[in-house]
Amino acid sequence: DAMVIQNPRYQVTQFGKPVTLSCSQTLNHNVMYWYQQKSSQAPKLLFHYYDKDFNNEADTPDNFQSRRPNTSFCFLDIRSPGLGDAAMYLCATSREGLTYEQYFGPGTRLTVT
Amino acid sequence: GDSVTQMEGPVTLSEEAFLTINCTYTATGYPSLFWYVQYPGEGLQLLLKATKADDKGSNKGFEATYRKETTSFHLEKGSVQVSDSAVYFCALSDNYGQNFVFGPGTRLSVLP
Repeated sequence: DAMVIQNPRYQVTQFGKPVTLSCSQTLNHNVMYWYQQKSSQAPKLLFHYYDKDFNNEADTPDNFQSRRPNTSFCFLDIRSPGLGDAAMYLCATSREGLTYEQYFGPGTRLTVT
Repeated sequence: GDSVTQMEGPVTLSEEAFLTINCTYTATGYPSLFWYVQYPGEGLQLLLKATKADDKGSNKGFEATYRKETTSFHLEKGSVQVSDSAVYFCALSDNYGQNFVFGPGTRLSVLP
C-alpha cells in the first residue's frame, strides 16, 4: 500500500545534541510537510517543500532545518534540541491538484533529556 | 487570514449516541474542507472531505456537508462506538496548496 513512513517512531536525544528525523513516501506526491504537535494540540506547520522549493514558516525557529534530497525522502534536522522541542513530529504529503488533502505518517515522538 | 473554529471539547458520549462536532471557517475564495481523526499516539488520518458547496463527505458512518451560506462543515455520526474515541480536527485548504489550516481539535470520548 502507498504510504508515508516515519523513522524512528520514538527518538530520545540529549539537550543540545543534534537529531535527525526521517520521512519517506511511496505516494509520489510532490509536496511534503513537517509539523510539530504538542499534547493533542493542532499540528503546527514548520515548513514544506513544493517540489524542490523550500517554504519556511515565519515563526519556525532557526534551530529547525530540513532537507529533501529527492521526491521520496525528507529530513528534519534539529540542530540543538531544547526541552521545549519535545513533541510529536508529523510528516505529511500532498499532490498538486484541486484539493491538496494531506496524508500523514504515524509521527515520531521526540523526547529531550 | 483563513481560520477554522471547532467546538470546545472534550465531548463525552455513551455508546450508540448521536455525535455532532461543530466546525466553522473563515476563508477567501472557495476552500476545500476536511475532517481528520487522530487516535492516541498516531498520526492524523483523513476521515472525509468536500471540495465545493453542498458536497457531502462521508466515511465509516461519519458525514459532513459543506455549507457555504453558514461557512460550516459540521461532523455527524448517528451511532458512535467506543472505537471512535479520538481527537477530531477540522481543516481547510486553499486551491493552491499554499495555505492549509487546522482547527484546534475536539477530543471525543465514548463510554461503553
